[in-house]
Amino acid sequence: NAGVTQTPKFQVLKTGQSMTLQCAQDMNHEYMSWYRQDPGMGLRLIHYSVGAGITDQGEVPNGYNVSRSTTEDFPLRLLSAAPSQTSVYFCASSYGTELYEQYFGPGTRLTVT
Amino acid sequence: GQQLNQSPQSMFIQEGEDVSMNCTSSSIFNTWLWYKQEPGEGPVLLIALYKAGELTSNGRLTAQFGITRKDSFLNISASIPSDVGIYFCAGRRGAQKLVFGQGTRLTINP
Repeated sequence: NAGVTQTPKFQVLKTGQSMTLQCAQDMNHEYMSWYRQDPGMGLRLIHYSVGAGITDQGEVPNGYNVSRSTTEDFPLRLLSAAPSQTSVYFCASSYGTELYEQYFGPGTRLTVT
Repeated sequence: GQQLNQSPQSMFIQEGEDVSMNCTSSSIFNTWLWYKQEPGEGPVLLIALYKAGELTSNGRLTAQFGITRKDSFLNISASIPSDVGIYFCAGRRGAQKLVFGQGTRLTINP
C-alpha cells in the first residue's frame, strides 16, 4: 500500500492563480480531510469528507473547494490564490470517522507570491 | 474556535534525558491524541487516550489523560536522536472535530 499520497510536494503560485492539490489513498478509507499547517498554529481543518459524494466544511474553509467523486481521491482546489494561503497542506484519511486513527500524507508546501 | 495550549513550544535537551510536555484547554475533551511529525513528513499517531486518568505507554513514550479532562501529558524517557521532531497534541470534544495544539519542537544534542 502506498498509504496517503499528495502531489505536488512543492508549488509556487502567483496571487489570483488557481490550482488543485491532489490527494489519494489506497486503504479504502471512508473519511478524508484536508488540514493546513502554519507556524505556531498547529493543524487546522479546512474541509472533510465522510464518504464519496459527501463533503463538509472545517474550521478554515474560505478560499478552498473540495469534491469527493471516488473513495480514493479528495482534491483540494484553490480558486484564486492569496498570500494568506501560503502554508503546508496535509491530507489525511481514516477507516471510519476521525475517531479512528488518521493517516497523514507527506504534505504540499505552497507559496503564494 | 477551541484552542489547545501546548507547552513548551521548544525543548533543547541532551541525549539520554527525559522529556515532558503538556497540553491544556479551557474546555473538557473526551479524547486526547499525541502525534509526532518529522521534517518533510505528515504527523504520525503515537498514543490515543479515551478516558480521564488513563495512562498509556508506547515504548519509551507515556501519555496521560488528565483527571480534569482539560489536559494531557506526554513523557519520553531516555531520549535518543531519532526522537527529534515536532510533537502535537490533539483533542476532541463530543462529536466535534479534532483541535490541534501548536506543537513542541524537540531538539536533542548528542
